[in-house]
Amino acid sequence: EPEVTQTPSHQVTQMGQEVILRCVPISNHLYFYWYRQILGQKVEFLVSFYNNEISEKSEIFDDQFSVERPDGSNFTLKIRSTKLEDSAMYFCASSFRLAGAREDTQYFGPGTRLTVL
Amino acid sequence: AQKITQTQPGMFVQEKEAVTLDCTYDTSDPSYGLFWYKQPSSGEMIFLIYQGSYDQQNATEGRYSLNFQKARKSANLVISASQLGDSAMYFCAMRNANTGGFKTIFGAGTRLFVKA
Repeated sequence: EPEVTQTPSHQVTQMGQEVILRCVPISNHLYFYWYRQILGQKVEFLVSFYNNEISEKSEIFDDQFSVERPDGSNFTLKIRSTKLEDSAMYFCASSFRLAGAREDTQYFGPGTRLTVL
Repeated sequence: AQKITQTQPGMFVQEKEAVTLDCTYDTSDPSYGLFWYKQPSSGEMIFLIYQGSYDQQNATEGRYSLNFQKARKSANLVISASQLGDSAMYFCAMRNANTGGFKTIFGAGTRLFVKA
């Protein structure tokens, strides 16, 4: 069964450093997303991406964040200068359709746990 | 405002028994989808079941069923014949077709403990 994959599974970085989190969405999906989950808290939407551009972003997704689909398979989230409060689990997700039916289900990857020291 | 409420922070169930996890939602969009995800201790988010706002029947997927009461805006997850491997965090989530944009919004989750 196709699945979303993410690398690395765990990333430790120093405050102020840049990190890139990588995702490979399900191959026939058209919509891509990043979410984050601070430990013990609810899952929060960061950004969605469609047709090679950001389609929606939350207030969390400030200028420190960027997303890119550098080729036909990868989808990346870059944090330019990490802060302590960026420590969280970051989930990539993808869906085939936008909304309206079961096909719009977002399938999540296993997550990347980011620890900022 | 679009909102998901899960009022049970933790639930216990005996192995082989059924358990219901509560979820209520708020939206003014007539077209929406409701989802349940399971998050085991390993951290991944596993899709369990989907219910569309226009679906006439309650969704079922194996041991999972969704008790959808549209007028009450509730979408409770029923797990039948609980297994030890069902111990996990469970999130109710919603997407709004017309007004919600691209995101899924999540409830705070319910942690389920299955006792042997």
